Amino acid sequence: EADIYQTPRYLVIGTGKKITLECSQTMGHDKMYWYQQDPGMELHLIHYSYGVNSTEKGDLSSESTVSRIRTEHFPLTLESARPSHTSQYLCASSPLVGQPQHFGDGTRLSIL
Amino acid sequence: AQSVTQLDSQVPVFEEAPVELRCNYSSSVSVYLFWYVQYPNQGLQLLLKYLSGSTLVKGINGFEAEFNKSQTSFHLRKPSVHISDTAEYFCSGAALIFGKGTTLSVSS
Repeated sequence: EADIYQTPRYLVIGTGKKITLECSQTMGHDKMYWYQQDPGMELHLIHYSYGVNSTEKGDLSSESTVSRIRTEHFPLTLESARPSHTSQYLCASSPLVGQPQHFGDGTRLSIL
Repeated sequence: AQSVTQLDSQVPVFEEAPVELRCNYSSSVSVYLFWYVQYPNQGLQLLLKYLSGSTLVKGINGFEAEFNKSQTSFHLRKPSVHISDTAEYFCSGAALIFGKGTTLSVSS
């Protein structure tokens, strides 16, 4: 039973479009994360948030941006999509730093 | 800084055979370690966690792992695998760092 939801699950879209990937969680977790995962590869942290109005960039440089206006919502936006953005994006949350994370099922993004 | 290294990228085994997926870690201060499983087209699901206490940790689906401080290892084991265990397995530390993953392929 998923407590963290990502939409859309799949998205195929043309270059130059603005894209927002949605992530919502119902567990009241303060900590939320976005990872990028290419097929057969490890997860790379691209953004994280430790609470409302708090966002930080992760280890992997990304042209995306995030916002955290509400505890339960952590959307990721690409202002102008490029083929290099083609990847799977995973959203996660945890109650505390260092605690296990709960993951959504991911958004598989393909930019033509 | 903490890092985790998964020593095997692919592990093929036959059904009902035992399996070990290896993970080594480096640590500075505290050691929190996790194993996650990822099935196709899904996110990661927590298998088990080590936060403190007993070094033998039992998880879901019959998996267990042993925290070994002297060898800086946290290997995942299952005494008898099923076809349904075929998936990608990730070792992770508290610093939001993940290993590169191990593909477990179980065949009959």
